[in-house]
Amino acid sequence: DTGVSQNPRHKITKRGQNVTFRCDPISEHNRLYWYRQTLGQGPEFLTYFQNEAQLEKSRLLSDRFSAERPKGSFSTLEIQRTEQGDSAMYLCASSPFTGPNTGELFFGEGSRLTVL
Amino acid sequence: TQLLEQSPQFLSIQEGENLTVYCNSSSVFSSLQWYRQEPGEGPVLLVTVVTGGEVKKLKRLTFQFGDARKDSSLHITAAQPGDTGLYLCAGGGGSGGSNYKLTFGKGTLLTVNP
Repeated sequence: DTGVSQNPRHKITKRGQNVTFRCDPISEHNRLYWYRQTLGQGPEFLTYFQNEAQLEKSRLLSDRFSAERPKGSFSTLEIQRTEQGDSAMYLCASSPFTGPNTGELFFGEGSRLTVL
Repeated sequence: TQLLEQSPQFLSIQEGENLTVYCNSSSVFSSLQWYRQEPGEGPVLLVTVVTGGEVKKLKRLTFQFGDARKDSSLHITAAQPGDTGLYLCAGGGGSGGSNYKLTFGKGTLLTVNP
């Protein structure tokens, strides 16, 4: 399977704990995105990497959130001191560089976080 | 703030019926994409439209981008139970927005009953 891979698929944690999600994009894609989706809503942009550089972070990302893509391949999204409002599906997507405009995104299956 | 409004929010129809869902914005987008999402899964791209007035067909699905590139529609002919899912529109490169991220609507949840 050469699609975008995310793990874990499901994570249940207690409030205050830290969690980390991993995303392995399609190998030839140099753009990587994190989105968050809550029930009844469309995905909301969190952050974007081009290769290893994090080029934009949404205001939705509080200081408790950090994302990395150290070698321009896989990426991690860490949430520290989780809160119940962090419960959501965290979606990773990748795309090839096709110029200045957004290319077509290929999403992973998502990591669902439940904070008790 | 760019917003994409999708309507209707929910749609339940019988197999064989036709339907149209809409995606509207006050912003101009350089491209607009339609995705379909099943429960517990990530969105899957259906089509990208980039030219005002553009019409694209994908089997029983017809997508149209408005002349002013602010709105789009998705028409499904002879819907089948396998068409059930959440249909999301997403705009890229909108007015004042970054070119490399998408703004999603809330989606239309379609149920096709056998």
